[in-house]
Amino acid sequence: SQQGEEDPQALSIQEGENATMNCSYKTSINNLQWYRQNSGRGLVHLILIRSNEREKHSGRLRVTLDTSKKSSSLLITASRAADTASYFCATGIQGAQKLVFGQGTRLTINP
Amino acid sequence: EAQVTQNPRYLITVTGKKLTVTCSQNMNHEYMSWYRQDPGLGLRQIYYSMNVEVTDKGDVPEGYKVSRKEKRNFPLILESPSPNQTSLYFCASRALGGTGELFFGEGSRLTVL
Repeated sequence: SQQGEEDPQALSIQEGENATMNCSYKTSINNLQWYRQNSGRGLVHLILIRSNEREKHSGRLRVTLDTSKKSSSLLITASRAADTASYFCATGIQGAQKLVFGQGTRLTINP
Repeated sequence: EAQVTQNPRYLITVTGKKLTVTCSQNMNHEYMSWYRQDPGLGLRQIYYSMNVEVTDKGDVPEGYKVSRKEKRNFPLILESPSPNQTSLYFCASRALGGTGELFFGEGSRLTVL
């Protein structure tokens, strides 16, 4: 199975609510990144958290990393209709120059 | 403007007809990579390159070739396309000594009949 697995696969919430997406991985990592993809478009980098960090903020985004549980979460606060997209976690594998992507969470924000 | 440019964006072709998807970046990035995206399978790496004349296989390299003759360009070649290569393809690049952020192109949707 994939190195990074997101949960849930799909999430639908009302505008203004918070959205939380989770990512689990299997091997040791250097960093974990979150990307956003609007339908059929290229992925856009949102935030990176290093393996020695536990929490990071960027605007309405909050990312946590628990290396003991090999998991991360992405919280989007005060969601907006424009946040509707797919969100992917990607793990930077230790000892390898590659990012491994999960299957993504499809987030729908209802106005 | 910093960008990764892929061409063509859309292509319908037939089995066995060789095609090349071009990728160019203007950020002087050493690292470039190709991914394919399929429903239920996420993004899977096809090939990557750490620098000029240095390429390596990713997770799903079968049926693909790449070359890196110049730093800015990393074309993906399908010598004899088959229907199972129908997919959405992304090129991405990053600086090796940078933050680790990947910059993606807008994607190339390929259909092989």
